[in-house]
Amino acid sequence: GQQLNQSPQSMFIQEGEDVSMNCTSSSIFNTWLWYKQEPGEGPVLLIALYKAGELTSNGRLTAQFGITRKDSFLNISASIPSDVGIYFCAGCLSGTYKYIFGTGTRLKVLA
Amino acid sequence: NAGVTQTPKFQVLKTGQSMTLQCAQDMNHNSMYWYRQDPGMGLRLIYYSASEGTTDKGEVPNGYNVSRLNKREFSLRLESAAPSQTSVYFCASRDLNTEAFFGQGTRLTVV
Repeated sequence: GQQLNQSPQSMFIQEGEDVSMNCTSSSIFNTWLWYKQEPGEGPVLLIALYKAGELTSNGRLTAQFGITRKDSFLNISASIPSDVGIYFCAGCLSGTYKYIFGTGTRLKVLA
Repeated sequence: NAGVTQTPKFQVLKTGQSMTLQCAQDMNHNSMYWYRQDPGMGLRLIYYSASEGTTDKGEVPNGYNVSRLNKREFSLRLESAAPSQTSVYFCASRDLNTEAFFGQGTRLTVV
């Protein structure tokens, strides 16, 4: 089935460091979104991207919708302990209502 | 505003038993989704309903059926549960070009 390849799978970083993660696919997407999930909860939206090339920030988070519409990245600057969690990319395949998720990046921040 | 409500929150089934997971949204969204989440696998799309009256298979539909009862409700049925269906199930709803909103999840164990 369709898959979004997300990397890295996990990251252990020191508080204050910057973080970068990305998603790629062989298919074209018409939206890219980034979610964070904490234990026992459903995913919560961080940033939504709706146009190829779009670069959007939300506080310390910055994400971009790749120009080819097949990839996206998320950066977190100056990480803090509460950034711990699993980050997922998600997208809607072009021409469909099919909304699929990447495999996730597990982030741990060491104080 | 309740958002997306899933019931039950927890369930234990014996192999071969059947059950229906319920999902309701009060945001007047057209599209609804069912995902399963296994450790290290991210969220995988089981079935989705682009609009009332339509349903489509996702990435992992085998062993499941769905019903879009009306615009608010989208149920997921396991006719004969198997241990491989032990997972956390999430329902979500969205409209075109918007984020998805998730329920709190149903933790299902099949023994």
